[in-house]
Order: sequence, then structure tokens, then C-alpha cells
Amino acid sequence: AQSVTQLDSQVPVFEEAPVELRCNYSSSVSVYLFWYVQYPNQGLQLLLKYLSGSTLVKGINGFEAEFNKSQTSFHLRKPSVHISDTAEYFCAVVLANFGNEKLTFGTGTRLTIIP
Amino acid sequence: KAGVTQTPRYLIKTRGQQVTLSCSPISGHRSVSWYQQTPGQGLQFLFEYFSETQRNKGNFPGRFSGRQFSNSRSEMNVSTLELGDSALYLCASSLTGGKLQRSSYEQYFGPGTRLTVT
Repeated sequence: AQSVTQLDSQVPVFEEAPVELRCNYSSSVSVYLFWYVQYPNQGLQLLLKYLSGSTLVKGINGFEAEFNKSQTSFHLRKPSVHISDTAEYFCAVVLANFGNEKLTFGTGTRLTIIP
Repeated sequence: KAGVTQTPRYLIKTRGQQVTLSCSPISGHRSVSWYQQTPGQGLQFLFEYFSETQRNKGNFPGRFSGRQFSNSRSEMNVSTLELGDSALYLCASSLTGGKLQRSSYEQYFGPGTRLTVT
């Protein structure tokens, strides 16, 4: 079975500083990888996804992530954060090529931007 | 294009009652998935429906059930509610053709229904 680990439950960052949110996964088969963001009292919004191709994936709101197969990681980065980035971020995986929409989520990282 | 809608947004029920939640996917989307979000367990997959058939199921008791209609709208039902069922229930839709057609794997989430069981 696949699993996702987000080691940091909370990450405080000063405004305009860079940030990295870590995500590691475990699976015996190939997976597709995703980052979602959840703002207070809202559903989840897809930030970016990795299915194949270039290991550096660019998403919305200036976020990017790099797929590292050898380290089974998919860390999310942003070079300069804004107050509006305050939210909870979830890393997720789907089994590849199964026609399967079941997302397995990590426990989330709460990003707090300090003015 | 309208997003995923969920009704009601908030619900308060008493232990032992049953509840039905509704989800209308984005037009053209045929897959609907349901997730439960709680502070303790995080986001957990309940089930997925595609073309009115349950295609995938998570590890939840039989009290949790769902269905999908021909217009892709979906409902989930929880019978004999327990205090631990208090959660945010999220619905997500995606444009997928099933196993024979590459899925976009992009799930679009609704705002959720917050269920409180007292």
C-alpha cells in the first residue's frame, strides 16, 4: 500500500522569505504525486501535479515541486512567500496507470506567514 | 464553468440518526470521490463512483454508503451516526474515462459539508 509522510506539521516563515514543505512517499508501484492547498473553511485546491516528464513541476501561485525518485520525495517550494499563502498544504499520491482516483494524503503542513 | 457544489454546507445531527449529503460535480465530470477530514485522522478516502458504479472503496464501516445518479450527481449516506462521525466531508470530481482512457488525475474539490454529531 502507498503512504505519504509530511514531516513538518507546522512551518512558520517570514513574509518574502523562501519556503520548502517536505513530502516523502512510499509505494511498491509507480505513483503520481500532487500538492493541494486548503484555505480556512474551504475545500482543497490543486497546486501542482507530477505524472511524468520533467521532474521539476511548476504550479499556481508561484509554487514548484521537484520529484526525486531515488529519495522518494516531492518537496514543495516557493522562493518568496506572501501573507496570502497562509494555509494548510497536503501532499498526495495516486497509484499510476490504475485508472484509479483514490488519493492518499499526508497529514498536512500548516504554513504560517509572519509579517 | 461552475465548480463542485455540496449541500448542505453545515449540518447538526444527533447520535443514532442518519444523514444524506449531496454533491454535484463539474459539468462533464464522471467520477466523484468522497473524503472525510478530521483533526485526528486527517483526510481519508471513503469511496469513488464512476458511471453510477462504485469503483473504489476505503476502509470505512458499512454505515457509510453512497450512490451516483445518471447525471453524475452523487450522494453519501451515513446511518446510525456516532460522535466520531463529526467531520468535514469533501466531495471531489474528475474528468476520467475509466481504465481504458487516461485519466487527468486532477480532482476538483467542493467546499465540503461540515457535519456535527451531538
